[in-house]
Amino acid sequence: DADVTQTPRNRITKTGKRIMLECSQTKGHDRMYWYRQDPGLGLRLIYYSFDVKDINKGEISDGYSVSRQAQAKFSLSLESAIPNQTALYFCATSDAGGNQPQHFGDGTRLSIL
Amino acid sequence: KNEVEQSPQNLTAQEGEFITINCSYSVGISALHWLQQHPGGGIVSLFMLSSGKKKHGRLIATINIQEKHSSLHITASHPRDSAVYICAVNLGRLYFGRGTQLTVWP
Repeated sequence: DADVTQTPRNRITKTGKRIMLECSQTKGHDRMYWYRQDPGLGLRLIYYSFDVKDINKGEISDGYSVSRQAQAKFSLSLESAIPNQTALYFCATSDAGGNQPQHFGDGTRLSIL
Repeated sequence: KNEVEQSPQNLTAQEGEFITINCSYSVGISALHWLQQHPGGGIVSLFMLSSGKKKHGRLIATINIQEKHSSLHITASHPRDSAVYICAVNLGRLYFGRGTQLTVWP
């Protein structure tokens, strides 16, 4: 089983729908992150959480919200999806402390029509 | 403005060639990461370094802190090395380059 699991892997939906992307991890890491990737652009941080009671905005948080339900679970919601939110979304985790590698899920390909 | 610049954007090589991908950044950092993104989309961390050089198999990563520059080298390249290679710098959180698409032909 993957250490960082994202569901769903693919989703096609319509403008205005509410969507939730889920991420769960078995690595026991405190820190979790949501990124989006668009063609020709680097990964951009949407939200991150350093523990269950901690939520922080990243560089592109508008239109998104998150919930850290437990140490192992971090979900990303699009309250009212719009076409320019079509992208590849990644969840990642890392251990606490200074410089730590991040471990990525396999990504969720989201298309909004 | 992107804090991290990678070059080249695209790279094609013949199997067996030595490959170099470059990464430059503009401010002081605590660490630099090299990541590999497979054609299916999954991302794997290859290296994290803050000084000197690291080696894993045919992959070598170097960093020059004074020049704010890092290189990823692949020796004896193979078609299975075909992927996007991403550089990221730690400035309190990670900032990512746009990636280098590497294609290795048999």
